[in-house]
Amino acid sequence: DTGVSQNPRHKITKRGQNVTFRCDPISEHNRLYWYRQTLGQGPEFLTYFQNEAQLEKSRLLSDRFSAERPKGSFSTLEIQRTEQGDSAMYLCASSGGAFATNEKLFFGSGTQLSVL
Amino acid sequence: DAKTTQPTSMDCAEGRAANLPCNHSTISGNEYVYWYRQIHSQGPQYIIHGLKNNETNEMASLIITEDRKSSTLILPHATLRDTAVYYCIVRSYNTDKLIFGTGTRLQVFP
Repeated sequence: DTGVSQNPRHKITKRGQNVTFRCDPISEHNRLYWYRQTLGQGPEFLTYFQNEAQLEKSRLLSDRFSAERPKGSFSTLEIQRTEQGDSAMYLCASSGGAFATNEKLFFGSGTQLSVL
Repeated sequence: DAKTTQPTSMDCAEGRAANLPCNHSTISGNEYVYWYRQIHSQGPQYIIHGLKNNETNEMASLIITEDRKSSTLILPHATLRDTAVYYCIVRSYNTDKLIFGTGTRLQVFP
């Protein structure tokens, strides 16, 4: 399968615990995006990388959230001291090519986080 | 990026054409119109995009009005598997990210 892969698919945690999600983009895609989606809403942009550089972070990305893409390949999104409001689907997407314009984003199936 | 307005929900009979409208009256000349859809429990899937000309691919057709203030996504022969939320997105040429609205929930019925 050459699509965007996200692990785990589901995560249940207790309030106050730390969680980490992983995203493996399509091979050779240089851009990687993280989105969050709550029930009934469209995906909300969190952050994105071009290669290993984190180029933009949304105001939604509080200090408890950190994303990395150390070698410009896979990425991790960590949430520290989880809160019930963090419960959501976390989506990863990737795109490639020399220019962002006209590039399609390919999304993974997401990680569903439930904070109890 | 320009905002878009879409109906909250629509119904379509299986085998008929589904026409999904989108209003983007504040679109500027360098902004593209993108359509994605999201089937339940999956990530969004790219459908089609265009700048000012009508576009067609194996999934759908995109009709953009001459003034570019609105567009219509056409699924020529809707199937039950086309039941999904459809997002119309306006994306600037110098923006990497996509900004999603709440989309149109299309229900295809037998």
